[in-house]
Amino acid sequence: DAGVTQSPTHLIKTRGQHVTLRCSPISGHKSVSWYQQVLGQGPQFIFQYYEKEERGRGNFPDRFSARQFPNYSSELNVNALLLGDSALYLCASSLSGGSGYTFGSGTRLTVV
Amino acid sequence: DAKTTQPNSMESNEEEPVHLPCNHSTISGTDYIHWYRQLPSQGPEYVIHGLTSNVNNRMASLAIAEDRKSSTLILHRATLRDAAVYYCILRDTGTASKLTFGTGTRLQVTL
Repeated sequence: DAGVTQSPTHLIKTRGQHVTLRCSPISGHKSVSWYQQVLGQGPQFIFQYYEKEERGRGNFPDRFSARQFPNYSSELNVNALLLGDSALYLCASSLSGGSGYTFGSGTRLTVV
Repeated sequence: DAKTTQPNSMESNEEEPVHLPCNHSTISGTDYIHWYRQLPSQGPEYVIHGLTSNVNNRMASLAIAEDRKSSTLILHRATLRDAAVYYCILRDTGTASKLTFGTGTRLQVTL
């Protein structure tokens, strides 16, 4: 079985640009969460979606948005990129909002 | 969010047991204790979780103090592949169930 897949694996963007990161959960998993991991720190919660509805949001500015599609895949969008947005963005899926999470390998975003 | 305290780093010899401690003195009655680990260049990986009783699975054991204010992740025979950052996380399944990561314990395993 395929695990959680994220695309792209790496990308470089310029300050002020917009980026879209994609995540495909494990088949049958209806909950998707997004995390940001800055170098040297633990992952920080950004969003959780369950059955296409937002169930939780972390302390991130409105430049960050996300959505979940009918097939349970998800996109994370970041507008007006800042240098500080450079990080590893992780997607995690679970059967429901309360069960164990399986993480993808992440998307490494570099903002220059 | 309830907080956990872990040592920044620990070392172990290969094939010896490793005990990774975690303090969570502000734990509430509905908080589960979860452990994840993150190998280099990978996303976090679920290891084990428990509420009150000790738990065992194929990866590790979790020992929970009677007052639940601390817990210990036990790797019975460390291998080089166990070198990772280990995160102890309190998770309230009554909410959005986000995972609040700290800085974790970096485990080094040597021959």
